[in-house]
Amino acid sequence: QQQVKQSPQSLIVQKGGISIINCAYENTAFDYFPWYQQFPGKGPALLIAIRPDVSEKKEGRFTISFNKSAKQFSLHIMDSQPGDSATYFCAASKRGGSNYKLTFGKGTLLTVNP
Amino acid sequence: SAVISQKPSRDICQRGTSLTIQCQVDSQVTMMFWYRQQPGQSLTLIATANQGSEATYESGFVIDKFPISRPNLTFSTLTVSNMSPEDSSIYLCSVRGLAGGSEQYFGPGTRLTVT
Repeated sequence: QQQVKQSPQSLIVQKGGISIINCAYENTAFDYFPWYQQFPGKGPALLIAIRPDVSEKKEGRFTISFNKSAKQFSLHIMDSQPGDSATYFCAASKRGGSNYKLTFGKGTLLTVNP
Repeated sequence: SAVISQKPSRDICQRGTSLTIQCQVDSQVTMMFWYRQQPGQSLTLIATANQGSEATYESGFVIDKFPISRPNLTFSTLTVSNMSPEDSSIYLCSVRGLAGGSEQYFGPGTRLTVT
């Protein structure tokens, strides 16, 4: 049973546009929600993370929106650039206890056209 | 963030042989993990490497096939034993608990091809 569902599987955006990737989780014990960016041939890089005590976190052009009641969180990339073309993974875990392991979504391949 | 290095970065191995992958972190970390990533797929946790004790394996992964060592807080190894072409994948080291934080970081990966 997949505990973190990510959509869309792939996304094509024009330069300057907004990229939106959505994730939904099932385990209400999760309290840590990171996003990773992975370029071909590289390991995943931690991009931004949020905890459920806030509804939004922004770092530069990247914003996480979090809806605790709906058990959903999303990544928004503003002013998308060709250099943002990569695979993005959402994940969820609990900071401590037996659910500390990250559960990953299946990934979204983002292509930003120039 | 932590600087994580893996050796080798890639290798091509014969069926039936074994390969040991090394992971070195530049700072002490609480937790170290090993993941497998098939091309175009998500990340699958193989095991949690425990310092000074046996690793904790996820369902579908066994110690005889993927023995893991973690002699200290900055180093771990993963061995892929008796390899078959199905073991061709990217193997990633990951760490958590740097400076007591929850953030988890990944190494660059080892790309393994079994012929």
